[in-house]
Order: sequence, then structure tokens, then C-alpha cells
Amino acid sequence: AQTVTQSQPEMSVQEAETVTLSCTYDTSESDYYLFWYKQPPSRQMILVIRQEAYKQQNATENRFSVNFQKAAKSFSLKISDSQLGDAAMYFCAYRRSQGGSEKLVFGKGTKLTVNP
Amino acid sequence: GAVVSQHPSRVICKSGTSVKIECRSLDFQATTMFWYRQFPKKSLMLMATSNEGSKATYEQGVEKDKFLINHASLTLSTLTVTSAHPEDSSFYICSARVRGGRGNTIYFGEGSWLTVV
Repeated sequence: AQTVTQSQPEMSVQEAETVTLSCTYDTSESDYYLFWYKQPPSRQMILVIRQEAYKQQNATENRFSVNFQKAAKSFSLKISDSQLGDAAMYFCAYRRSQGGSEKLVFGKGTKLTVNP
Repeated sequence: GAVVSQHPSRVICKSGTSVKIECRSLDFQATTMFWYRQFPKKSLMLMATSNEGSKATYEQGVEKDKFLINHASLTLSTLTVTSAHPEDSSFYICSARVRGGRGNTIYFGEGSWLTVV
């Protein structure tokens, strides 16, 4: 079974600084998707960024970028120029690309605090 | 972007009664919807996968007779918590997969807080 591990229960960053959230996963599949979701206090799950495993290029969305290391099964999220609105729980998630269950497997989350 | 709506956002029910939560995809068809439960300060726990026109697939340890899931159309899935007890109080959240394409897009509803008193 696939597992997702987020080893940092909590992280903090100063406003305008950069922070990296860690995520590792375990799978025997070669083709899959990886995601970072943000959950603010409102509890709405917001997709931050996604990566397809067959793509070598790291995904980027404005201030958010990932460092995808397929061989190491690592998928870290870098937030640049951190803003107060970035404060939230961040969940790393894995999903098979096709066949079988299409469910998302989530890590336990990292609570990010942004200090003014 | 695609919108998934859950209703009600908050519900309080008496112990022993049943309560229904709806999950609707407002501007797309969803062949598959997922129901999660989230305890305070915890991650999302998948309860079941709901497929339009067929029986839901429940995760291990989830009581199918207690958490009834119906995916009656391509835009609506419902979760009914039957004979609710205080320990069923939780945050329930659904997600929907966009029909067609390579299917790498899943959208989440706003979630529903259930309190059983």
C-alpha cells in the first residue's frame, strides 16, 4: 500500500522569507500524481500544486514550487516570499495515475505559521 | 474553476437520529466522488469511494450500514449517517473527480460539521 510521510508536524517562517515543507512517499508504481493541498482555518481544501511522476521538470505555481526526486521518493514544497495568508495546514498527497483506486492518500500534515 | 458544494455546512442532530449530507458538483460531471472524515488536528481519512450508478467502495473499518452512500447522478452523492452517536461528531468532506480526461483533477467541497448531541 502507498504511504505518505510528512515528518514536520509544525513549521514557522518569517513573512517574506522562504520555507520548505518535506514529504516522502512509498510506492511500487511508476506512474502517479503528487499533490500539495492547503487547508486554512476555513477547512476548505485548496490545491496548491501538482506533479505528474513522468515529468522530470519540477512543477511551479507562482511562489510555490516543488523539488521532486523520484528515485528518492521525495516531494518537498518550497514557499517563497511567504505571506500571512500562507498560514495553514499543508497536506502532501499521492494518487495512482490509472487503474484501481483513484483515491488520494494523504500525509498527516504540516502546520505552517507565518510570523509578521 | 470547478466547484463542489456540500450541504449543510453545519448540522446538529440528536443521538439516534439520521442525518444526510449532500455533495454536488456544480459545473461538471463527476463519475467518482470520495467521502472523507477529519478529526481535529488530524489528516483526512478516506471513508469510501462513491461511483455513479454502483455501490460505494468502503475503506477497511468503515461501517457501510452506518455510513450510507448514494451516488444517484453524475452531480450528486449523499452520505447518510444512520443512528448517529456523539462519537460520529466530526468534519466530513467530499471530493469529486472530473469526468473524462486523464483525471488528475480532484476538487473538494467546503466540508460539513456534524455535531451529535
